[in-house]
Amino acid sequence: EPEVTQTPSHQVTQMGQEVILRCVPISNHLYFYWYRQILGQKVEFLVSFYNNEISEKSEIFDDQFSVERPDGSNFTLKIRSTKLEDSAMYFCAQTVAGALGEEAFFGQGTRLTVV
Amino acid sequence: KNEVEQSPQNLTAQEGEFITINCSYSVGISALHWLQQHPGGGIVSLFMLSSGKKKHGRLIATINIQEKHSSLHITASHPRDSAVYICAVSRLNEKLTFGTGTRLTIIP
Repeated sequence: EPEVTQTPSHQVTQMGQEVILRCVPISNHLYFYWYRQILGQKVEFLVSFYNNEISEKSEIFDDQFSVERPDGSNFTLKIRSTKLEDSAMYFCAQTVAGALGEEAFFGQGTRLTVV
Repeated sequence: KNEVEQSPQNLTAQEGEFITINCSYSVGISALHWLQQHPGGGIVSLFMLSSGKKKHGRLIATINIQEKHSSLHITASHPRDSAVYICAVSRLNEKLTFGTGTRLTIIP
């Protein structure tokens, strides 16, 4: 079965520091998403990426966030100057269209703790 | 903007009971996903529905497109089914919109 792989699984960082979260997507699929889930809350959309460009971003995805595809395959989510409220679980995901419809594949998540 | 509502928010049942979790959404969709989130936080896709009904083992998912409603059923529930179950909807090639989740606890 196809798999989306995220690293690291856990990250603890000092407030104000930069963090980079990484994701290896399923190859040859164009749509890619980052979501986050603050503890005890629902999963929220951050940004979508299509054909090497941002296609949509939420209000959460402000100037401190950026998403890149540095080597043409893997994705990164960068938070430039972390705040305490950035502590959350971050997921990368893809929806893959097949004969039976769109199937969702999630990475294992990165639990980010800002102290 | 699609609003996704799930009920109940929390559900505790005895092992062996039949479980139903409900999901309703406000805007037309191309797919509805039922997801399972384990205590460690990882999310696993259980079902993707665009119409009708799907069954996988003890899990059954149904969707009524006209009523914008879906249900997830678990037959012969087991403690290992304890998890958070999340309903999420999407249009083709668009982001998922998530419900708040249902925390299920099955007591032996």
